[in-house]
This record gives sequence, structure tokens and C-alpha cells, in this order.
Amino acid sequence: GAVVSQHPSWVICKSGTSVKIECRSLDFQATTMFWYRQFPKQSLMLMATSNEGSKATYEQGVEKDKFLINHASLTLSTLTVTSAHPEDSSFYICSARIRAASYEQYFGPGTRLTVT
Amino acid sequence: AQTVTQSQPEMSVQEAETVTLSCTYDTSESNYYLFWYKQPPSRQMILVIRQEAYKQQNATENRFSVNFQKAAKSFSLKISDSQLGDTAMYFCAFMNPRNSGNTPLVFGKGTRLSVIA
Repeated sequence: GAVVSQHPSWVICKSGTSVKIECRSLDFQATTMFWYRQFPKQSLMLMATSNEGSKATYEQGVEKDKFLINHASLTLSTLTVTSAHPEDSSFYICSARIRAASYEQYFGPGTRLTVT
Repeated sequence: AQTVTQSQPEMSVQEAETVTLSCTYDTSESNYYLFWYKQPPSRQMILVIRQEAYKQQNATENRFSVNFQKAAKSFSLKISDSQLGDTAMYFCAFMNPRNSGNTPLVFGKGTRLSVIA
């Protein structure tokens, strides 16, 4: 099946610094990638939708200047949390859709971010 | 806007027994997709089963099957012969295929299922 990887799986950073999370589709080209945030024991909250080569579409309430998303190629999307604060600590999950006609999403294993 | 409701925050089932997780949704669309995802303690999201709204036949995948009632906007998941490895959060999800592949999934709040030995 389709595999999506995320790196790093776990990161600790100091308040005020930036951290980048990579999401890669390993064996397919992803026309669309999605970024989610998940708090403990809660559902996934969509942050943004990105298409290769174009600007990401952010959900209401998500700060686009704080959560920078780049979808530079059909196999790579990155999420950069800029000037991180403790309240940004969360579990971040990326997901990729294989092609426009396919409605199955494949999820990465997630990245646990802890801001101290 | 579409909404997905999972009314059972937590459920438990004895090993080898059958359990049904409920999901209802609200939409004015006639064509859409419904999904059940499993999130075990590892937190890796895994697709369990998918149903196209235009198909009347209920989808099945081994021990997992759905009861899709389009008129009632209900999409329940039945797990037969429950196994310890089925312990996980289960999320029901809806997708409107309009706008091609850019439309995100709409998730319910999830049901935490515990399989007891």
C-alpha cells in the first residue's frame, strides 16, 4: 500500500525557535497533502490543504505566518512552526492523496512536538 | 457544512465478540464517500473501510463491515470476532468529492474501543 513518512517523529525545541516537519510520499505522487493537528484523546483538526507548486489553503483560525507550509514537489511537503510557543506543543499528522480521482487518504505516522 | 457525529465516546467488547460503532452524518449532497479509520496506540491512522454513497451494497473487509443507511444518513461499523489488536480509536469520516481531490475529510470525534481478553 501507499506509504507516507514523517520526519522527525519526535522533536523538542525551545520557545521562540522554529522547527520543520517533513512529510514524504514514498511510493506515489501526492497531488494534495493535508496537515492536521491532534490533541490528546481528540479528533484530528485540519490545519491546511496544500497542492504541489501552489500556496496552501489554511483553515479558519490557523495562523499562516506561524505555520508555514511548503509543497515543493509531488512527494514532499513541509510544515514549519515558526517562533514556537508551549501552546504549539501537539501531535502533527500529515496525509496525502494519491491523485485527484482517488479519494483515499494515506497518513503519516505523526510528529510529536514539545516546546519548552 | 457537513458534520459527522459519533455518539459513543468509549466502548468495550470481549475478545471474539461482535461490536458495532455508530456514526451519523449530515449533508445535502447525494454523492459522497464515507470512511472508517483506526488509530491504535501508535497513533498511525489506518484506513479500515470505505463506502461510496452511490453503491447500495454495504462494504466489507474481512471482519469489518458497514451498515450504510443513506436515507437515515447512518454509517455504522461492525467488527466481528474482535481481537486484542482491534483496540484503538475509531474515526468515522465523510468526504464530498466536489472540487476534485482537494476536499478534505470531515472527521467525527472518535470512539475509543477496548477489546478485553
